[in-house]
Amino acid sequence: SYELTQPPSVSVSPGQTARITCSGDALSKYYVFWYQQRPGQAPMLVISQDTERPSGIPERFSGSSSGTTVTLIISGVQAEDEADYYCQSADSGGTYAVFGGGTKLTVL
Amino acid sequence: QVQLVESGGGLVKPGGSLRLSCAASGFTFSDFYMSWIRQAPGKGLEWVSYISRSGIYTNYTDSVKGRFTISRDNAKKSLYLQMNSLRGEDTAVYYCARDHCSSDSCPNWFGPWGQGTLVTVSS
Repeated sequence: SYELTQPPSVSVSPGQTARITCSGDALSKYYVFWYQQRPGQAPMLVISQDTERPSGIPERFSGSSSGTTVTLIISGVQAEDEADYYCQSADSGGTYAVFGGGTKLTVL
Repeated sequence: QVQLVESGGGLVKPGGSLRLSCAASGFTFSDFYMSWIRQAPGKGLEWVSYISRSGIYTNYTDSVKGRFTISRDNAKKSLYLQMNSLRGEDTAVYYCARDHCSSDSCPNWFGPWGQGTLVTVSS
């Protein structure tokens, strides 16, 4: 089955830049969406269509795309950004949604 | 504001059945696809099923095909998931989410999500 690959964990100090990658063979064909999930809460969209920031999401959240790898970038990380982050895209046939395994962002 | 509230979760024995419900408010329910997404304890997210605006089109992840049935009642602004022949690996928090699937782009993104309802399959 099709998989999206994320690093299990990323750690950064406050004020630094966090980069979380998402890799998949079909990512050059389909958009990627990023979700933030704080402990005990439902996921929330933070980046749409690889690079678009929804209204209400802080400017420090951005996205980039290169071939089969998409990256969530959090500039000037704050303590409140500590959460799990999931990428989501389509399977190789474009039939159903697929999530990455998730990345735990720790703010040191 | 847009709100989704799930209910119906609980403890069920392997082989048993459960029906989840999701009550929507704050938006025109019939204008959107809807999906169920689950998260096993301490694990990642897994899309389970979607249903089209009218309910004509549905799709399921392979592991639940033939066991789960998604449905909706647009008059009641409600989404349902009938789960039969439940297995231990179905244990998870089940979220309903507004699905932004459209004729131009599907699959698409999910949001907002409900708070989730926990389904535990255990003897």
